[in-house]
Formats: sequence, structure tokens, C-alpha cells
Amino acid sequence: AQSVTQLDSHVSVSEGTPVLLRCNYSSSYSPSLFWYVQHPNKGLQLLLKYTSAATLVKGINGFEAEFKKSETSFHLTKPSAHMSDAAEYFCVVSHPNQGGKLIFGQGTELSVKP
Amino acid sequence: EPEVTQTPSHQVTQMGQEVILRCVPISNHLYFYWYRQILGQKVEFLVSFYNNEISEKSEIFDDQFSVERPDGSNFTLKIRSTKLEDSAMYFCASSSRGREGQETQYFGPGTRLLVL
Repeated sequence: AQSVTQLDSHVSVSEGTPVLLRCNYSSSYSPSLFWYVQHPNKGLQLLLKYTSAATLVKGINGFEAEFKKSETSFHLTKPSAHMSDAAEYFCVVSHPNQGGKLIFGQGTELSVKP
Repeated sequence: EPEVTQTPSHQVTQMGQEVILRCVPISNHLYFYWYRQILGQKVEFLVSFYNNEISEKSEIFDDQFSVERPDGSNFTLKIRSTKLEDSAMYFCASSSRGREGQETQYFGPGTRLLVL
């Protein structure tokens, strides 16, 4: 069975400092992995995705994530946090031939202090 | 930029009543999905839909639930007889492809359903 674990329910950083949101996955297959962000009263927006090409994936707004198969991890990073990054972040896994079903982690709320 | 839209944004209903949640997917997309998030819990997959039939459904998606694409633009989720535990945020999503599991799903802002 596939699953996703986000290791922190809440992360707080100061503006201008690095962001690290941790995600581990469990999968019997070669997964596709995604990070989505949700700002208040908005839909889920794709930040980036890994689909078995380059292991270091760059996304929007300066975010990137590295797929590490040996560690079954897909952590999200950003060198310098901005106030507008405050939101809920979801790590997501999917597999082929499952009708496009996405499996979500429980989410990490990122707070950014001035 | 094209967006997925959902109506209503909020719905309050009495237990046992039928509700229909509406979604307008991105116009050239062919795959459609519903997810839900009960307060404080994970976002959960409900159902995927392609070519006018269900591709995949979860255990949650029992006989009380149905989906339909009644015309060329809308995609609906019907709950026949709502229960208290159906209270959740319901998200609609669409994608241009779906079988490979790699395609980006574009999500709407959600409908918050409260069952009293």
C-alpha cells in the first residue's frame, strides 16, 4: 500500500531564512510525487512534481525538492522564506493504473514571521 | 489562466437531505476527480471519472454517492442522504490525462459542506 507521511504538522520560520518541509513516502512501485500548496480560501496549487526524470525538481516561487529513493524522502526546500509563503503544504503520491488517485500527506502549515 | 470552479462555496444541509456539489473543470480536460477533507484530517480521494464512467473509487464512495457529467461543462457530486460524517471540504479536480498517474491535477477552491 502507498502512503505519505509529513513529519511536521507545523513549521515556523523567519522571513529570509531557509524552509524545509519533510516528507517520506511508502510505495511498492516507482511513484510520482507532488507538492501542493493551499493558501486560505484558495484551491490546491501544484508547486512541483517528480515523475522519474531528474531527482532534483524545481518548482514555482523558488521551491525545490529532491527525490531520494534510498531514504524514501521527497523534502521540500526554499533558500529564503517570504511572507507570502505562509500556507498549508501537502506532499502527495500517485501511481499508474489507479485512475489518477492521489494520496495526500496530512499537511504542514508553514508560518513566516517578519 | 484557466481554473477549476466550484459552487456553492458553502452549503449547510439537514441530515438525510440530498445535496449536489457542482464543479466546472478546465475546458479541455478529460479526467475529473472528487476529493474530500474532513476537518483536521487528510485530503482523501473519492472518485475519478473519464469518458462518462467511473475509473476508480475509494471505499468512502458508497451507494450514497454518485457523480455525473450532465453536460459538456459541469461535473457534479451527489450525496443522496447526507449524514453528519459527510461534513467536510469537497474538492473537485481535473487533468488532461490520467492513466499514467503523472499528470497534474488542477483543483478547485472547494465546497465546505456542513450537515446538521
